[in-house]
Amino acid sequence: DTGVSQNPRHKITKRGQNVTFRCDPISEHNRLYWYRQTLGQGPEFLTYFQNEAQLEKSRLLSDRFSAERPKGSFSTLEIQRTEQGDSAMYLCASSWWDRDSNTIYFGEGSWLTVV
Amino acid sequence: AQTVTQSQPEMSVQEAETVTLSCTYDTSESNYYLFWYKQPPSRQMILVIRQEAYKQQNATENRFSVNFQKAAKSFSLKISDSQLGDTAMYFCLHVDDKIIFGKGTRLHILP
Repeated sequence: DTGVSQNPRHKITKRGQNVTFRCDPISEHNRLYWYRQTLGQGPEFLTYFQNEAQLEKSRLLSDRFSAERPKGSFSTLEIQRTEQGDSAMYLCASSWWDRDSNTIYFGEGSWLTVV
Repeated sequence: AQTVTQSQPEMSVQEAETVTLSCTYDTSESNYYLFWYKQPPSRQMILVIRQEAYKQQNATENRFSVNFQKAAKSFSLKISDSQLGDTAMYFCLHVDDKIIFGKGTRLHILP
């Protein structure tokens, strides 16, 4: 088990371009979460999945953001027409969630810089 | 909606001292989990300690312990014999369906 893996770790893109981040959770984890974190701030919730179902999407997520988890394993977070305000670290986490246990594992984050 | 409040944006203590980080939360759930994670400059989130809400006994993990007051919705973290490696951002998390983070407390351990 290699933990939660995020790729790419760093991305520099020009304003207006599309970017996609990938998260590979710990195998068999049924929950997968995406957060956004800017310097000096706590992570802000973006969206989360139970298996392949997207259960909730934050109002922080504009229409330019979309996330998928097609087979209930890895997930992608796409940002279309990037803006400078999208510059942040995008953090993925996974867990095996049920009412009796819940341990969360975090990836190392994907840094986005929009220039 | 669940919220988590960390009222201390930044703290500094001398090495070997004891420090307590505060966390309060708001929830309507009866069954949930609370966590403290640290985030050093490397940005990797590291689990410090975990508490199940149905357990009355406070969790401890070596130098780290919590004071969990369910009725008061309070979950403070005590770090004993603080070390330079404890310098990090500390986040309090409330977890039931979603993970809700506090805004964090930046802790500096001074030599």
